[in-house]
Amino acid sequence: DAGVTQSPTHLIKTRGQQVTLRCSPKSGHDTVSWYQQALGQGPQFIFQYYEEEERQRGNFPDRFSGHQFPNYSSELNVNALLLGDSALYLCASSLITGTGQVFGPGTRLTVL
Amino acid sequence: EDQVTQSPEALRLQEGESSSLNCSYTVSGLRGLFWYRQDPGKGPEFLFTLYSAGEEKEKERLKATLTKKESFLHITAPKPEDSATYLCAVQAVGNEKLTFGTGTRLTIIP
Repeated sequence: DAGVTQSPTHLIKTRGQQVTLRCSPKSGHDTVSWYQQALGQGPQFIFQYYEEEERQRGNFPDRFSGHQFPNYSSELNVNALLLGDSALYLCASSLITGTGQVFGPGTRLTVL
Repeated sequence: EDQVTQSPEALRLQEGESSSLNCSYTVSGLRGLFWYRQDPGKGPEFLFTLYSAGEEKEKERLKATLTKKESFLHITAPKPEDSATYLCAVQAVGNEKLTFGTGTRLTIIP
């Protein structure tokens, strides 16, 4: 039973560029949440998707956007990258009827 | 606004030396409190969910407890492989997001 998968594992971009990160949820899960984790900090909630709609959003600017596909997989897009966007980006999946979130291994984004 | 504070920030123990990690929280209405383990550069690994004060859960050398204001993660006779950062998170009623603390970095010395 595959868990949450994310791609790519690592990514290096320069300021001003755009990036797309991808996530496949755990089999049977229908909801995907995205988190940003800076070094030495706890994960910060970006947004959650269910039925291809953004269900809830955290305190992140509009440069951060997402999408969920009919197969429940999801993408996180970040435009006009800043140095401060360097972080580990985590995807978590869950059931809309449940409370537990299962995390993927993350994508390490470095902005130079 | 939901808040989670974890202490201590870092803890070094000798192998076999038991201790506890603390998670203090404020939340409008608790839907669930979660403990995760995170190894360097990896995603958080789920350990426990607690729903109401007085609840306890155990897994191997770990035991999590919950009161109305805080949760403890007790580690009994730890081994070097228990070294990791332990994260606490809360989820409020009617809310989907998890609010995390900054974690406790636990090091077990052989």
